[in-house]
Amino acid sequence: EPEVTQTPSHQVTQMGQEVILRCVPISNHLYFYWYRQILGQKVEFLVSFYNNEISEKSEIFDDQFSVERPDGSNFTLKIRSTKLEDSAMYFCASSEAHYEQYFGPGTRLTVT
Amino acid sequence: AQKITQTQPGMFVQEKEAVTLDCTYDTSDPSYGLFWYKQPSSGEMIFLIYQGSYDQQNATEGRYSLNFQKARKSANLVISASQLGDSAMYFCAMRFGSARQLTFGSGTQLTVLP
Repeated sequence: EPEVTQTPSHQVTQMGQEVILRCVPISNHLYFYWYRQILGQKVEFLVSFYNNEISEKSEIFDDQFSVERPDGSNFTLKIRSTKLEDSAMYFCASSEAHYEQYFGPGTRLTVT
Repeated sequence: AQKITQTQPGMFVQEKEAVTLDCTYDTSDPSYGLFWYKQPSSGEMIFLIYQGSYDQQNATEGRYSLNFQKARKSANLVISASQLGDSAMYFCAMRFGSARQLTFGSGTQLTVLP
């Protein structure tokens, strides 16, 4: 069964450093998303991406964040200058034209 | 206001029994969708079931069914014949209107007892 994959599973970085989180969505899906979950809290939407551009974004997704689909398979989230409060589990998700979103296993980002 | 509420932080159920996890929502938009996800202790988010606001019948997927009561603005998840592997955090989530972003509830931690 096709699934969303994410790398790395765990990333440790120092405050102020740039990180890139990588995702490979399900191959025939058209819509891509990033969510985050701070430890013990609810899942929060960051951004959605369709047809090579951002279609929706939340107030969390400020200028420190960017997304890119550099080729036909990868979907990346870049955080330019990480802060302690960026420590969270970051989930990539994808969906077809229908609304069901399938999530990847997540990348745990730890900012020290 | 658009919001989604899960009032049960924790639930216990005996193995092989059925359990209902509550979810209520608030929206004035006639078009919306309701989702349930399972998050085991390993952390991944597993899609379980989806119900659209215009769907006439309650959604079912195997042992999962969604008790959708539009007038009450509730979309409770029913798990029949609970198994030990059902122990996990369960999130209700919603999309509003034509937007695709999901808004999540705070979750219910389900523990299945042997």
